[in-house]
Amino acid sequence: DTEVTQTPKHLVMGMTNKKSLKCEQHMGHRAMYWYKQKAKKPPELMFVYSYEKLSINESVPSRFSPECPNSSLLNLHLHALQPEDSALYLCASSQAWRGRASYEQYFGPGTRLTVT
Amino acid sequence: AQTVTQSQPEMSVQEAETVTLSCTYDTSESNYYLFWYKQPPSRQMILVIRQEAYKQQNATENRFSVNFQKAAKSFSLKISDSQLGDTAMYFCAFMKHYSGAGSYQLTFGKGTKLSVIP
Repeated sequence: DTEVTQTPKHLVMGMTNKKSLKCEQHMGHRAMYWYKQKAKKPPELMFVYSYEKLSINESVPSRFSPECPNSSLLNLHLHALQPEDSALYLCASSQAWRGRASYEQYFGPGTRLTVT
Repeated sequence: AQTVTQSQPEMSVQEAETVTLSCTYDTSESNYYLFWYKQPPSRQMILVIRQEAYKQQNATENRFSVNFQKAAKSFSLKISDSQLGDTAMYFCAFMKHYSGAGSYQLTFGKGTKLSVIP
């Protein structure tokens, strides 16, 4: 099973709202990633978790708060977003070995976020 | 820092024909991985094919094959017998292979939009 699931598929939120994106995988992967993708652009890395610990934060604004409650689950908490944060948010996972990520990343279908 | 260049923003191909998508990269690393990902209009990013830099043999996956030229830092994707379902954005991506925080990062090219015409 090479499936990464993400919920919700679509999300519309106001700038004062608090919402969360959820990502789940059951492949036994211990590295999980959040990417942001604008239309017609490649994905941009936001965060990396390895063995449930945050290992990379690509200078993402604090209005985005990641959480990895267990090895299968990754959340992205959203608060006080701006309209320019509207994008497709992709989750991915890969194997991790001794703290290093293995090379294959498997992506979820994404959450289309619109900030009004 | 690594860079990945896809020089063809858009391409089209007739159904059943063969098409080649170009990708070049720049790195000082000797050990790394290269990937082609496909993102159809449905938006799910799907791994198409991967290549380990230490392997001289070009990777193949069914109708998809690569031409990996390490010295030239070139990694092109050939799609044979193109099908309508191949219509998608194709991203070439590079990953270093070493321990440390930077090892996790995929560097993507800007993508090539491929349209398969009936």
